Amino acid sequence: AQTVTQSQPEMSVQEAETVTLSCTYDTSESNYYLFWYKQPPSRQMILVIRQEAYKQQNATENRFSVNFQKAAKSFSLKISDSQLGDTAMYFCAFMNRDAGNMLTFGGGTRLMVKP
Amino acid sequence: GAVVSQHPSRVICKSGTSVKIECRSLDFQATTMFWYRQFPKQSLMLMATSNEGSKATYEQGVEKDKFLINHASLTLSTLTVTSAHPEDSSFYICSAWSPNTEAFFGQGTRLTVV
Repeated sequence: AQTVTQSQPEMSVQEAETVTLSCTYDTSESNYYLFWYKQPPSRQMILVIRQEAYKQQNATENRFSVNFQKAAKSFSLKISDSQLGDTAMYFCAFMNRDAGNMLTFGGGTRLMVKP
Repeated sequence: GAVVSQHPSRVICKSGTSVKIECRSLDFQATTMFWYRQFPKQSLMLMATSNEGSKATYEQGVEKDKFLINHASLTLSTLTVTSAHPEDSSFYICSAWSPNTEAFFGQGTRLTVV
C-alpha cells in the first residue's frame, strides 16, 4: 500500500513571495503519477500540477513547479509570486497506474497568502 | 475540459431516512468513478470504487449496506446513504478519470443528518 505524507499542516506566505510545500511518499511501484490538488474554500478540487514518475524533468505550470526527487520519494510544490487566490488546502496525491487509478491523498497543507 | 457534476450540493435529512447523491461525467465516459468522504479540515478518504456494470469495491471499514453505490451507465454513479444517522454527516465527493488520465472531481455534497 502507498502512503503520502505532508509534514506541514499549515503554512503562510506574503503575497508575491515564494513558498514550497513538502510531500513524501512511500511505494514499491514503478508506474505511478503524482499530483498536487488545490481545494479552495468552495471545496472544489482543482488539479494544480501532475508529474509522471517516468519523466525526469520536473513539471511546471505557470507559477507552479515541482521538485520531483524519485530516489528520495519526495515531491514538493513551489508556488512563485503567491497570490491571494492561492489561499487554499493543498493535497499531494499518488496514483498507481497498475492498480485501477486510485488516488491516495496526503493529509493536506493549509496555505494562507497574506496581503 | 472534462466536467464531473455532482448533485445535490447540500442536503439535510432526518435520521433514519435515505439520501441519494448523483455523480455524472458530462462529456466523457467513465467506466470507473470514485467516492470520497471528507471530514472538516481533513483529507479525502476513499470510500469505494464504482465500476460500471458491476459491483462496487469498498474500502476496509466502509459499510456496503449503508453506502449503496450504483453505476448503471458510463456517465452516472450514485451513492445512497441508507438509514442515515448524524454521524454520517460529512462532505462527500466523487471523481472520475478522463481519457487523458486526469481526475475530475464533482463539486461535493454536504450532507447534514438531523
